[in-house]
Amino acid sequence: DAKTTQPTSMDCAEGRAANLPCNHSTISGNEYVYWYRQIHSQGPQYIIHGLKNNETNEMASLIITEDRKSSTLILPHATLRDTAVYYCIVSSRNFVFGPGTRLSVLP
Amino acid sequence: GAGVSQSPSNKVTEKGKDVELRCDPISGHTALYWYRQSLGQGLEFLIYFQGNSAPDKSGLPSDRFSAERTGGSVSTLTIQRTQQEDSAVYLCASSLQEWGTGWTEAFFGQGTRLTVV
Repeated sequence: DAKTTQPTSMDCAEGRAANLPCNHSTISGNEYVYWYRQIHSQGPQYIIHGLKNNETNEMASLIITEDRKSSTLILPHATLRDTAVYYCIVSSRNFVFGPGTRLSVLP
Repeated sequence: GAGVSQSPSNKVTEKGKDVELRCDPISGHTALYWYRQSLGQGLEFLIYFQGNSAPDKSGLPSDRFSAERTGGSVSTLTIQRTQQEDSAVYLCASSLQEWGTGWTEAFFGQGTRLTVV
């Protein structure tokens, strides 16, 4: 399974865009990039996923580099409720969760 | 049900006792996953089911841990002779098909908080 690296923590001002990077340099051709988040004491919540094209949904946008070795999750207008741990995952079968990025949205 | 249901939500047990944790996946979801999360830590993969079979048991931390799934639906995670280090939140997830196929997401339950005293 491909491994990912993410910054341990990030801060973002409320109302600003939050850009969360993820490196996955060993990703293989058939592996997708998934993003989940976990708000304190809750189960992880799906955000978005993609293969090689950029994706957008009501929650976020996912930008994947052309070589697929890294990606960025964008929360366009962060709110206090977006404070959570964000996990970037790439896997063809088992979803191995790394430590993620702890995003703190500040008022 | 509307989502993945886990029971009990909380379990306190004495060291050395056996415990069973239950997961009811979303109806029709063929893939089911168990994870555990120790306090302040990330998610640790335990086991994965496709239907009733478990192609990957690599994450089970010891032979005290076992899991089964019957009828392609409910799954039970059993921990025998519990130890204090087993204390964690045990999370279950299900998906319509095997993850990694790219067009399906996994839904998580709220977990069972296990405390071994």
